[in-house]
Amino acid sequence: DAGITQSPRHKVTETGTPVTLRCHQTENHRYMYWYRQDPGHGLRLIHYSYGVKDTDKGEVSDGYSVSRSKTEDFLLTLESATSSQTSVYFCAISDETPNTEAFFGQGTRLTVV
Amino acid sequence: AQKVTQAQTEISVVEKEDVTLDCVYETRDTTYYLFWYKQPPSGELVFLIRRNSFDEQNEISGRYSWNFQKSTSSFNFTITASQVVDSAVYFCALRETGFQKLVFGTGTRLLVSP
Repeated sequence: DAGITQSPRHKVTETGTPVTLRCHQTENHRYMYWYRQDPGHGLRLIHYSYGVKDTDKGEVSDGYSVSRSKTEDFLLTLESATSSQTSVYFCAISDETPNTEAFFGQGTRLTVV
Repeated sequence: AQKVTQAQTEISVVEKEDVTLDCVYETRDTTYYLFWYKQPPSGELVFLIRRNSFDEQNEISGRYSWNFQKSTSSFNFTITASQVVDSAVYFCALRETGFQKLVFGTGTRLLVSP
């Protein structure tokens, strides 16, 4: 199994508080992605990274920021959590070869109350 | 912009029936890559297959087969003689070259009853 770990696995937080989710990899892969999964919407890309300090927005980036200061870590931050950000968040990694599959973390279930 | 459409939200079949999951994609790239993933009830995402845009050969793996047609921008997935263990959500995904953004469809939930 690919070495990818998400933390925390579960979190309940209050509206208006900041939240940071962490994705850690041991594969030295260049590409890292953050998705959210909601019923009826599938997996939607929030942000992705194509290298250290190189990130770009996905389709649902509003309200989220990311940082990648080293290859192995990709952080997703909700600056001020809202109830609409209650979701399951998945991190994925892939190497430089575009026809290789992405490997996914186990997911983080975030509830904003 | 790249886009993946899985129009079938949910499909219910009885065991041993054949079932096809549809995937239609949009891209401006001439080189791109398509993937199918399975998400069983336990929640993890499991890679099933990948296909390059320049390789239109269909593929069969056991009860699974994939039909890639560039003319219709489709990459459909067929399960032959379905089993209860096939019950899952199936996602189709598209990756373009360049920055390699990986975009998924909304998924198709397959329910296979005994």
